[in-house]
Amino acid sequence: GDSVTQMEGPVTLSEEAFLTINCTYTATGYPSLFWYVQYPGEGLQLLLKATKADDKGSNKGFEATYRKETTSFHLEKGSVQVSDSAVYFCALPYTGRRALTFGSGTRLQVQP
Amino acid sequence: NAGVTQTPKFRILKIGQSMTLQCTQDMNHNYMYWYRQDPGMGLKLIYYSVGAGITDKGEVPNGYNVSRSTTEDFPLRLELAAPSQTSVYFCASSYHTSGSGNEQFFGPGTRLTVL
Repeated sequence: GDSVTQMEGPVTLSEEAFLTINCTYTATGYPSLFWYVQYPGEGLQLLLKATKADDKGSNKGFEATYRKETTSFHLEKGSVQVSDSAVYFCALPYTGRRALTFGSGTRLQVQP
Repeated sequence: NAGVTQTPKFRILKIGQSMTLQCTQDMNHNYMYWYRQDPGMGLKLIYYSVGAGITDKGEVPNGYNVSRSTTEDFPLRLELAAPSQTSVYFCASSYHTSGSGNEQFFGPGTRLTVL
């Protein structure tokens, strides 16, 4: 079935460092792909999305490119801030359902 | 717009007790969902609804029941609480017309402990 695999965390970076969080997927066809972020004590919120192959989603300095050749949707940011500390989830729609299947999440800790 | 609201925020249950987790959205979304999030894990879909009066099972429906009598409300019922149901529960909603790619909006979660 459809699934996503994320790199395990936690990822610990210093402020202004470059961030990459890997996400690969298994799916039928070319579904939309999502990155959600969960700040401490809160629910998930959409960070960015890409609806077709080769699309680039971007928001708040984060970017991810939908690469069908490598079935990947890696999240990147050029310069992280302490306020980016959160858990990041990669997701795609379940086949046949209007719901999402999520990766296990990657915790990012940014130190001043 | 309050978005998706959930009550209660926290609850401790004894084994065998029952409770209802409430979820309300004010965005006129047709789809609503319940997920659970276990420590260090991603979210698992429990139940979802595509509109009032229509519900369907997700990945992990055992031990739960839902109903959708209105567009706004989607309560989740636990009949006989078990320690395995200790988790954080998230309600979400979205508006679908056709195709995929529609954003889901999440509530703040209910942290449930069963002792």
